[in-house]
Amino acid sequence: EDKVVQSPLSLVVHEGDTVTLNCSYEVTNFRSLLWYKQEKKAPTFLFMLTSSGIEKKSGRLSSILDKKELFSILNITATQTGDSAIYLCAVPAMETSGSRLTFGEGTQLTVNP
Amino acid sequence: EAQVTQNPRYLITVTGKKLTVTCSQNMNHEYMSWYRQDPGLGLRQIYYSMNVEVTDKGDVPEGYKVSRKEKRNFPLILESPSPNQTSLYFCASSLWGQGSPYNSPLHFGNGTRLTVT
Repeated sequence: EDKVVQSPLSLVVHEGDTVTLNCSYEVTNFRSLLWYKQEKKAPTFLFMLTSSGIEKKSGRLSSILDKKELFSILNITATQTGDSAIYLCAVPAMETSGSRLTFGEGTQLTVNP
Repeated sequence: EAQVTQNPRYLITVTGKKLTVTCSQNMNHEYMSWYRQDPGLGLRQIYYSMNVEVTDKGDVPEGYKVSRKEKRNFPLILESPSPNQTSLYFCASSLWGQGSPYNSPLHFGNGTRLTVT
């Protein structure tokens, strides 16, 4: 059974702190790993990672994948209150007719002023 | 504006009364999918569809039906809802299937909060 595990489940920090969110996975036919951010409503896409060791970066957010150890991290530097959200990790598993997508439970990040 | 539209946003119903949650996308996406989100369990996939008339089960399909008669629409049907289907439901679409090597991020609808009493 495919599995995606995120840690920590909850994190409270102060503005300006740097945080690291973790995602480990066990999935057949690995193709990619995806990060999403969910604020009050629907999740929005952050990154797609397919290759080990290549950092993806967007502003203060960055992410990297380790396909040997089967995990990814999402870093947020100089956190702001607007970074408060649930961060979701997901991994697709190829099936015969398409692709199932397994999400982790998510990390609830709270950034206090 | 490119979007995924779900209706209704909120729904309260009683056990056993059939209901349909509609989902429509205007981006000509091939892939559509339904998820439910529950505290402590995260987002779990119910069904997905790679194209018209092609649907497949996700992780939690029991008690749900879907259909994909047109590319833009992917309704979720609960034939006989039960209280354990009380949840927040999201529809999502993407240009390609999620196993594609090409970056094909999911676009989510704003969610439907369903309560079954």
